[in-house]
Amino acid sequence: GNSVTQMEGPVTLSEEAFLTINCTYTATGYPSLFWYVQYPGEGLQLLLKATKADDKGSNKGFEATYRKETTSFHLEKGSVQVSDSAVYFCALSAVGSGGSNYKLTFGKGTLLTVNP
Amino acid sequence: GAVVSQHPSWVICKSGTSVKIECRSLDFQATTMFWYRQFPKQSLMLMATSNEGSKATYEQGVEKDKFLINHASLTLSTLTVTSAHPEDSSFYICSARDPGAKNIQYFGAGTRLSVL
Repeated sequence: GNSVTQMEGPVTLSEEAFLTINCTYTATGYPSLFWYVQYPGEGLQLLLKATKADDKGSNKGFEATYRKETTSFHLEKGSVQVSDSAVYFCALSAVGSGGSNYKLTFGKGTLLTVNP
Repeated sequence: GAVVSQHPSWVICKSGTSVKIECRSLDFQATTMFWYRQFPKQSLMLMATSNEGSKATYEQGVEKDKFLINHASLTLSTLTVTSAHPEDSSFYICSARDPGAKNIQYFGAGTRLSVL
């Protein structure tokens, strides 16, 4: 079946530091890949996405590239801010034949804390 | 981006009572919605897939008589936790799939249920 493995946290950084959160996946077919962010006490917000190999998703300074050869979708940001403190979830959506319901499979989440 | 409204955001109830949670897609028609449960500091667990006009599809281990799902229109799905007990206390999150946006799932803000 499908699975997502992401870097375990927590990750603590100083403001303006470089961020990488690793994510690798196992899937049949050609999944779409996502990063979601969850701020304390809230639901999930879509941060960025990539729907095919070599696509780069980007938003709010965050980037992730869909690497089919390494089955990875690592999240990066060049300079984090205190307001980026949240839990980040990597996820994939099954796409392809078989009447998929486009279920999302999530990683376990990585807590990021950015200190001033 | 698309908006999914979830209500209520927080509910406290007595053991043995039932609680209804609503999930609405505000600016698109969602033939498919999803209900998740999230335990503290853990990832989201898919409970069921809600399909407009048909019965929900429950994940293995989820009691369909306990968690009643109704998807009566293209913009509304409801989850009713029947005869709630303290162990049902959790954070419940819904999402709606937007077929007009490459099937991206947009999430509600979540409902925190506390059963006394």
